[in-house]
Amino acid sequence: GQQVMQIPQYQHVQEGEDFTTYCNSSTTLSNIQWYKQRPGGHPVFLIQLVKSGEVKKQKRLTFQFGEAKKNSSLHITATQTTDVGTYFCADLYSSASKIIFGSGTRLSIRP
Amino acid sequence: DAGVIQSPRHEVTEMGQEVTLRCKPISGHNSLFWYRQTMMRGLELLIYFNNNVPIDDSGMPEDRFSAKMPNASFSTLKIQPSEPRDSAVYFCASRPGTANTGELFFGEGSRLTVL
Repeated sequence: GQQVMQIPQYQHVQEGEDFTTYCNSSTTLSNIQWYKQRPGGHPVFLIQLVKSGEVKKQKRLTFQFGEAKKNSSLHITATQTTDVGTYFCADLYSSASKIIFGSGTRLSIRP
Repeated sequence: DAGVIQSPRHEVTEMGQEVTLRCKPISGHNSLFWYRQTMMRGLELLIYFNNNVPIDDSGMPEDRFSAKMPNASFSTLKIQPSEPRDSAVYFCASRPGTANTGELFFGEGSRLTVL
């Protein structure tokens, strides 16, 4: 079955440090999405990656899709307190319409 | 524009009682998803609908759970009878198309506590 592994589970950084979370799938993905959930909130869409090797940037956030389309990463440069939350990857498969979420990486920041 | 609307936002009930959670997707969206979130199990997909038709309910924990989508603007998730292990935040989400692409829009969630 579909499995989505996301690491690390938790990350505690000093404000200004960088942060990276990784998502690995057991099967080749059609697309991958990233979401952010603030404490007490709901997941909010950040981006979708479609192409092998794709790299997209949103200000301090850089998203990558692996060449084999089995892994992805989200990198935040110079974290700020507003980056606090849990980051989820979500795997989309062309053979089905369902969206499976990774276990998430919870980011906390020391001011 | 109104987003995905869920009710109730909070529900506290006793074991054995029936619980009904409600969701109104964004108008014009053709896919609707129900997720359950707990600390231990993360975000689990329970069931999803395309054009009001249930496509995959393999994530529904057991027969105590059922979901319906009688029309394009309303869905329910029912738990009968409820158990303490059902305590979680239940999210409804919708997206415009039925193809597996595009942003999921989440509601605020329904926090369920079963005593």
